[in-house]
Amino acid sequence: EDKVVQSPLSLVVHEGDTVTLNCSYEVTNFRSLLWYKQEKKAPTFLFMLTSSGIEKKSGRLSSILDKKELFSILNITATQTGDSAVYLCGPRSTGGYQKVTFGTGTKLQVIP
Amino acid sequence: EPEVTQTPSHQVTQMGQEVILRCVPISNHLYFYWYRQILGQKVEFLVSFYNNEISEKSEIFDDQFSVERPDGSNFTLKIRSTKLEDSAMYFCASRAGGELFFGEGSRLTVL
Repeated sequence: EDKVVQSPLSLVVHEGDTVTLNCSYEVTNFRSLLWYKQEKKAPTFLFMLTSSGIEKKSGRLSSILDKKELFSILNITATQTGDSAVYLCGPRSTGGYQKVTFGTGTKLQVIP
Repeated sequence: EPEVTQTPSHQVTQMGQEVILRCVPISNHLYFYWYRQILGQKVEFLVSFYNNEISEKSEIFDDQFSVERPDGSNFTLKIRSTKLEDSAMYFCASRAGGELFFGEGSRLTVL
């Protein structure tokens, strides 16, 4: 059974702080790891990571994957209140037509 | 920008009733999924669907659940006889490349 553990479960920071969210996983036939942001309803796509050690960046967000240690981190620099959300990570396997198995998420609250 | 659309946004039903949740995936996508999120819990995989058949289903997806792609655009999730514990947000997702695109969800409340 695929397993995903995210930490911390929740986090409260002040605007301008930098945060690091962690995701460790165990999955059979790993293909890639995906990060999503869930504000009110639908998860919205942030990153897909396939190769170890290659950082992906989008504005103040960045993410990296370590396939040997089976984890990924998501960094957010200079946080803003609009970053408040639940951040989900999920490995995508080659089976099941590449379903994504999500962790419980990290709930980030950014206060002014 | 193309998007996955789901209807209804909210449905309230009595226990034991049948419900059908509808999804229109992004038009050139070939892989379709249903996920469920019980309030305050994680997003859980239910089923994946490709080429008009189920490719994988989770333990949650028992005989009460079924999926169908009745025409070229819709993708439906049917729950035959709803239980209280079926109350959740149901997300449809579709994929062409690597990432899944999610709809806004259908909130099902079973009384």
